[in-house]
Amino acid sequence: KAGVTQTPRYLIKTRGQQVTLSCSPISGHRSVSWYQQTPGQGLQFLFEYFSETQRNKGNFPGRFSGRQFSNSRSEMNVSTLELGDSALYLCASSLVGELTDTQYFGPGTRLTVL
Amino acid sequence: GENVEQHPSTLSVQEGDSAVIKCTYSDSASNYFPWYKQELGKRPQLIIDIRSNVGEKKDQRIAVTLNKTAKHFSLHITETQPEDSAVYFCAASKPGANNLFFGTGTRLTVIP
Repeated sequence: KAGVTQTPRYLIKTRGQQVTLSCSPISGHRSVSWYQQTPGQGLQFLFEYFSETQRNKGNFPGRFSGRQFSNSRSEMNVSTLELGDSALYLCASSLVGELTDTQYFGPGTRLTVL
Repeated sequence: GENVEQHPSTLSVQEGDSAVIKCTYSDSASNYFPWYKQELGKRPQLIIDIRSNVGEKKDQRIAVTLNKTAKHFSLHITETQPEDSAVYFCAASKPGANNLFFGTGTRLTVIP
């Protein structure tokens, strides 16, 4: 099976702009989680989507939002970009079963805010 | 929420020696503990995971142990090789929640 894919891989934006990142999960996986990775804060959970619904949410401001489509592909959007939003944004997909599922990460989108 | 602490932040070992990385978690409800390896510029890759109904799990040179009472778990790598050099992250998650709480990472360097 193909792995998790993310587009674009690199993005440069300026403060105040908005950005949309895309994640395609492994075929058959129905849950997509998003994480922000920075040198200072490490890996932090943003939110998780399952069946087109946000199921869990981390401690990030409302400028960070997401959605999931019926084919399980997910997008995340960051509005009114700030310098501190520069980070590697990773998505991870997993099957959904009774147990907490193994998460497989995509290659990430490197966002630079100038 | 859950808080995961990871030590040490950096670790250097000679090729062939063993490496041990330790993590503690705060929420006794957490029951799933994966370990990820991240090489420079690459995605985190799952190397081993353990659930709270198991005390130890081994996969070739890699093993993980879990002490639920003390709320800590450890990664053991034996016979280290230069290709083991990477940043290793531990994580914890609660039942049915696909949100991982990560430790701060350990940069492992294996010296040939």
